Amino acid sequence: NAGVTQTPKFRILKIGQSMTLQCTQDMNHNYMYWYRQDPGMGLKLIYYSVGAGITDKGEVPNGYNVSRSTTEDFPLRLELAAPSQTSVYFCASSYSSGEVLYEQYFGPGTRLTVT
Amino acid sequence: GNSVTQMEGPVTLSEEAFLTINCTYTATGYPSLFWYVQYPGEGLQLLLKATKADDKGSNKGFEATYRKETTSFHLEKGSVQVSDSAVYFCALSPDRAGANNLFFGTGTRLTVIP
Repeated sequence: NAGVTQTPKFRILKIGQSMTLQCTQDMNHNYMYWYRQDPGMGLKLIYYSVGAGITDKGEVPNGYNVSRSTTEDFPLRLELAAPSQTSVYFCASSYSSGEVLYEQYFGPGTRLTVT
Repeated sequence: GNSVTQMEGPVTLSEEAFLTINCTYTATGYPSLFWYVQYPGEGLQLLLKATKADDKGSNKGFEATYRKETTSFHLEKGSVQVSDSAVYFCALSPDRAGANNLFFGTGTRLTVIP
């Protein structure tokens, strides 16, 4: 298993440009997540999905969009990039069933700079 | 609300030294608690977890005990190695079933020197 993969690893955007961060998992996990990590800060949840076709906002969703058309993929879209979106973005996935809690598996991250 | 306060870093230790990284939390309900580790250039990996009061999580020589009375989940290791150099994150999930949200501390960078 490759686990959680993210592309690209690095990207520099100009203000106002758009891009999609890709995330794929091959563990058949139902839950997927997007986090951002600002320098010196913990991770904050942007969006999450409990299954294909279902998404919901996290703590910091403004400026982002997501979709979940398949179990494996959970892309994150930035429509009008702003300097405040300079961050490291992590995708994660987990399996959850009723009261059973399973760990989240993280991808290696995408470092995004908006100038 | 839910939040995690973690010991400021960075922390530099000599090999075989004792490690403590402090973590305290604020939560509604009965959270589960986690320590994640991030090695250079990699994503976060779960190091250990505890899902109820007085549980002790342990892995790779690291331990942490869920203390409800002091709302703490301090990470300890008796003898650190150079390979333990990484960033350590304390986190909580407010929902016992909840893989649907984790609240993270700011992370503590540990450097172990030979």
